[in-house]
Amino acid sequence: DTAVSQTPKYLVTQMGNDKSIKCEQNLGHDTMYWYKQDSKKFLKIMFSYNNKELIINETVPNRFSPKSPDKAHLNLHINSLELGDSAVYFCASSRGSRSYNEQFFGPGTRLTVL
Amino acid sequence: GENVGLHLPTLSVQEGDNSIINCAYSNSASDYFIWYKQESGKGPQFIIDIRSNMDKRQGQRVTVLLNKTVKHLSLQIAATQPGDSAVYFCAENAGSDYKLSFGAGTTVTVRA
Repeated sequence: DTAVSQTPKYLVTQMGNDKSIKCEQNLGHDTMYWYKQDSKKFLKIMFSYNNKELIINETVPNRFSPKSPDKAHLNLHINSLELGDSAVYFCASSRGSRSYNEQFFGPGTRLTVL
Repeated sequence: GENVGLHLPTLSVQEGDNSIINCAYSNSASDYFIWYKQESGKGPQFIIDIRSNMDKRQGQRVTVLLNKTVKHLSLQIAATQPGDSAVYFCAENAGSDYKLSFGAGTTVTVRA
């Protein structure tokens, strides 16, 4: 009965590869997010989707492309991976898109680029 | 135990003592603030929030204080327990209707 789930939990890959991380929420929420947490634990928003529409797109390299096939899923595809992409990526969801809606986070995907 | 000043990355507290975690926010337009707790290997978890029309809000064993004059937010944990060991983040909406900006976390370690 996991609320927000992500796969895979760990991802180790070589520079230059393309990889995807998947996220699913079973809370019936309308809004989903991707965050990046670096090695110093700084947590930064990357993208946000509301009802499958992109509403937040921070200054993220266009090698990162989110895709929301439906309200319950938000996937993150990363092309031409670089060393600096190594981080923990968190998916989150909330009932609505306004900032005062509580965000529920997934367990994270630790990406290591070699 | 208390981390005093702008921000200290770590706080060590004796089990049973009260903890105070401080956070300075930067954006005067922020009107909504949240504290999150992140345990090792897990995602952040909501603890408590406060809007700018309040200066104090209490939850179960936690209290958030907001001082808008000096742009300061604190989280007080009463009778700290081993399960409170985690990284704690403050977040603000920074005038945005749609996104949160997270501060640098404070790692709290509870000593038995």
